[in-house]
Amino acid sequence: QQPVQSPQAVILREGEDAVINCSSSKALYSVHWYRQKHGEAPVFLMILLKGGEQKGHEKISASFNEKKQQSSLYLTASQLSYSGTYFCGTERIQGAQKLVFGQGTRLTINP
Amino acid sequence: DSGVTQTPKHLITATGQRVTLRCSPRSGDLSVYWYQQSLDQGLQFLIQYYNGEERAKGNILERFSAQQFPDLHSELNLSSLELGDSALYFCASSPGLAESTDTQYFGPGTRLTVL
Repeated sequence: QQPVQSPQAVILREGEDAVINCSSSKALYSVHWYRQKHGEAPVFLMILLKGGEQKGHEKISASFNEKKQQSSLYLTASQLSYSGTYFCGTERIQGAQKLVFGQGTRLTINP
Repeated sequence: DSGVTQTPKHLITATGQRVTLRCSPRSGDLSVYWYQQSLDQGLQFLIQYYNGEERAKGNILERFSAQQFPDLHSELNLSSLELGDSALYFCASSPGLAESTDTQYFGPGTRLTVL
């Protein structure tokens, strides 16, 4: 079942923060976050595993709340390069390797 | 550059035709995944191959088929094409270690337009 991302779209000014959520109605083992720019391939950001720690990558970090089956992606002090569509991909069983992606969140960063 | 290559980059064809999309995984990766991305459907998992064997199947139509060859490259065959098959087709690869959760690295995609 497809995870639900919110918001569907967000517009920020450079330097502002954003939070993107990914929720599932089913128990999850892992959540994978990707960013895709228009017409390009999705680019891997990070994986969060059940029982794992919050991950971070420069000013982009994420968490995974196993009880709520929800992951959140945090973008702080956003840069113009952060613009794109963010997708979460969920894996229900360890090693299943089949990802079910949310519908995406379009992030626009304006100067 | 993810290390995954896909050819061709663009493909324009007519309804009823058959096309083949090709993917070469990153060096050392054993798993290949195919995804379809259309405007209204988002990223949809089609099929996964691991070391030449089909491992997982998603929402792949019967008109579509795939295979992975001994050199680990993969091909996605689309036949009896319909207008609704127009989409971006991505290939991704991962090490494919059993019972582990891998990072999937996406290729640049093939944009298929069916007229």
